[in-house]
Amino acid sequence: AQRVTQPEKLLSVFKGAPVELKCNYSYSGSPELFWYVQYSRQRLQLLLRHISRESIKGFTADLNKGETSFHLKKPFAQEEDSAMYYCALRRWGAQKLVFGQGTRLTINP
Amino acid sequence: EAGVAQSPRYKIIEKRQSVAFWCNPISGHATLYWYQQILGQGPKLLIQFQNNGVVDDSQLPKDRFSAERLKGVDSTLKIQPAKLEDSAVYLCASSPGLAGGSYNEQFFGPGTRLTVL
Repeated sequence: AQRVTQPEKLLSVFKGAPVELKCNYSYSGSPELFWYVQYSRQRLQLLLRHISRESIKGFTADLNKGETSFHLKKPFAQEEDSAMYYCALRRWGAQKLVFGQGTRLTINP
Repeated sequence: EAGVAQSPRYKIIEKRQSVAFWCNPISGHATLYWYQQILGQGPKLLIQFQNNGVVDDSQLPKDRFSAERLKGVDSTLKIQPAKLEDSAVYLCASSPGLAGGSYNEQFFGPGTRLTVL
């Protein structure tokens, strides 16, 4: 079975401080990991995927298969980063996404 | 912008009533998904269509939920009869196709917020 755990429901940091949103997964096969974001009054949208190894809006995430983690990081938070963030897993070759519970990130001025 | 469209955006019904949601995916997208998102939780897949065929409906409560995708384009999700625990946001998403590689991104609609009283 596939499972995604985001241990923090709420995370609040000050503008300019580093941010780390935690994501742990449980899956015995080869996973694809994603971060989705939902800004206020907007649709759920893809932020980044592990396979691309890219930085989007200053965010990066590294897949750590040993620790089964895919934490999202940004060195300097900005107020516009305030949103709901969801970590999601997909079995390699499949389409179905399994989501975590989400973390509400608030950036304080 | 042309994205996934859903209607209605909000619906309030009493328990034991029936309700239907509509989704129009991005043009040309072969795969369509319905997710249920209960308050405080992440989206949970209810059903996945590839064109007009069902690929995965393992988490669809089939005694009360039904979905169809006639002609492989629009889709409707129905609940009959509704229960209090069905209160949730119902999200529709679409993606290009079955080749689940890194470019098979899912695009989400705005969702329908259902309240069952």
